[in-house]
This record gives sequence, C-alpha cells and structure tokens, in this order.
Amino acid sequence: DTGVSQDPRHKITKRGQNVTFRCDPISEHNRLYWYRQTLGQGPEFLTYFQNEAQLEKSRLLSDRFSAERPKGSFSTLEIQRTEQGDSAMYLCASSLTTGSDNQPQHFGDGTRLSIL
Amino acid sequence: DAKTTQPNSMESNEEEPVHLPCNHSTISGTDYIHWYRQLPSQGPEYVIHGLTSNVNNRMASLAIAEDRKSSTLILHRATLRDAAVYYCILRVRAPGGSQGNLIFGKGTKLSVKP
Repeated sequence: DTGVSQDPRHKITKRGQNVTFRCDPISEHNRLYWYRQTLGQGPEFLTYFQNEAQLEKSRLLSDRFSAERPKGSFSTLEIQRTEQGDSAMYLCASSLTTGSDNQPQHFGDGTRLSIL
Repeated sequence: DAKTTQPNSMESNEEEPVHLPCNHSTISGTDYIHWYRQLPSQGPEYVIHGLTSNVNNRMASLAIAEDRKSSTLILHRATLRDAAVYYCILRVRAPGGSQGNLIFGKGTKLSVKP
C-alpha cells in the first residue's frame, strides 16, 4: 500500500502566477477529494471525483481553480492568477466506494503553497 | 451536516488513558460519528467511526451515548506519537451508501507529556 501521494510537497510562487498540483490516489480507489487547510483551521472541502466525473464543487472553488481527473486515476488541481489568500495546504484524499456506508478517506500529506 | 463541539485543547500524561469528548446534540438518526486525527505536518488520518454501538479497533475505542448526542474517543494508553489534533465529524448515511466530503471543525489539540 503506497498511500496517497502528492507532488510537490512545497510550492513557492509569486502572486499572479499559475500553479498545478498533482495527486496520485491509492490505486483501486474510485473517489478522489481535494481539501484546503489554512493555519489553525480544519481542512475545508473543495471538490471530489468519482472515477473521472467531478461530482461536487464547493463555493470555495472560484473560477480561478480547476481540477481534473482525466483517466479516473491521478488528479491535478490548477490555480490560475494566484492571490495571497491562496496560501494554504492543499490536501488530497481517496476512498473506495463499495456500496457499504462510510468508507474512510485516506489523505496525502499535502502540498503547501506560499504566495509571495 | 450537523455540527460538533469539541474542547480546543487537552493534555495527557504518557501511558495514561485519554478521553476526548465530542458533543453533537443536533445529530440525526442517519448520521455516523467519525474521528480523524492529524499529526503535525501530515494529512488527516482515519481513527474510528460508529453509529449507535460502542466500537473498538487497534487505534482507539469509541463510546457513544445512549441518546447519541455525545461521544468519547478513548486512547487506552497515550504515547508521545498520539499528540495530534483530533477531529469529530458527523457524516450522513445516504441511500446506497453514497457519501461525499468530510466537514471538519477545529478539533481538539492533544498534548502528551512524558
């Protein structure tokens, strides 16, 4: 079990630049989630996929944010024209939906984004 | 999802039991109670979940009040590695087992003293 992998672990960029993060879920997991976490707060939901379909998006996901999961495996989260307020930890999680309730989500260790 | 209330912080001594409380007075009959924890510089980690009956696993025990308006996560012997933020989360039991995102609060920051 290789777990959920996120790349890069840290990203520093200037305001106005575009950034892209990658998430590799646990291989057989069909659901993939993106969360954002700022200092001292719990993670906040951004969006999730079942296979390649994006099923839900939070109001936090402005039009500068886009997420994809083209083949139902890895996912990318892109932020265009970054702003200071985008500085946060971006967390990815995956789970296996089998029809039984409440399968746990498995989280990666996140990508920490710092906007200069 | 219904709201949960947890103390901001708790302290424990190493090798002693720890009881982490969570109030969820507005819980509905279809809500499961989940616990996750987050160690420093890591993503959240699933700990345990339950519906009505008490639950045990290798990490912890979950004691659920008879009226389900509160629950307690029990770490039987705290170690230094248990120092983390512990989140109590309610998840709706949807038809067909469908479930979506987790809604985290601020959690309880547990400190363990040697």
